[in-house]
Amino acid sequence: EAQLVESGGGLVQPGGSLRLSCEASGFTFSSYPMSWVRQAPGKGLAFVSSITSSGADTYYADSVKGRFTISRDNSKNTLYLQINSLRVGDTAVYYCARRLPYYFESWGQGTLVTVSS
Amino acid sequence: QTVVTQEPSFSVSPGGTVTLTCGLSSGSVSTTYYPSWYQQTPGQAPRTLIYSTNTRSSGVPDRFSGSILGDKAALTITGAQAEDECDYYCVLYLGPGNSVFGGGTKLTVL
Repeated sequence: EAQLVESGGGLVQPGGSLRLSCEASGFTFSSYPMSWVRQAPGKGLAFVSSITSSGADTYYADSVKGRFTISRDNSKNTLYLQINSLRVGDTAVYYCARRLPYYFESWGQGTLVTVSS
Repeated sequence: QTVVTQEPSFSVSPGGTVTLTCGLSSGSVSTTYYPSWYQQTPGQAPRTLIYSTNTRSSGVPDRFSGSILGDKAALTITGAQAEDECDYYCVLYLGPGNSVFGGGTKLTVL
């Protein structure tokens, strides 16, 4: 069974940076595309970013392009999200998810990012 | 920009049947959008219910079913239970790296 454990969230000031991690286990990590999805307090789910299994291709929501960078280390079974130039509007729980064709198949428990001065 | 629409809220009686829908701001939803559905209890991670329109994810009770109804994707709960009271999200696949979530439907069972 796929297990995904996010870490790296916390309180950061506007303009700051964080790196989120998602450690995967229970499956062959290098075979699967992965994604980040976020949920602002009291709001719905929103796609943030995806990466192909090899890491060769990456995709971003318009709202985070140029500020967020998704990457992966298949030797460490870990997915990353580098988030820079943080804004108050980036405050959210960030979930990592395993992608199967066309949908999000497994989810982590999420890590909370709070952007506040 | 493509907007995926869902009813903000819905109510069903215990044991009743409810159909939640997922539409597009412009155009019709078809199987080529591979609609998927997710369930989320407050404070918990989402759970995948349905993918590729009508395929139940592992362990999902058969009271949950997916379909295309008219120009929308639909999630039907037949014989709703108290534990089904939570939020439901649909996702439409618009292309590589372009999956769009609907705004979610808050389902009340009472």
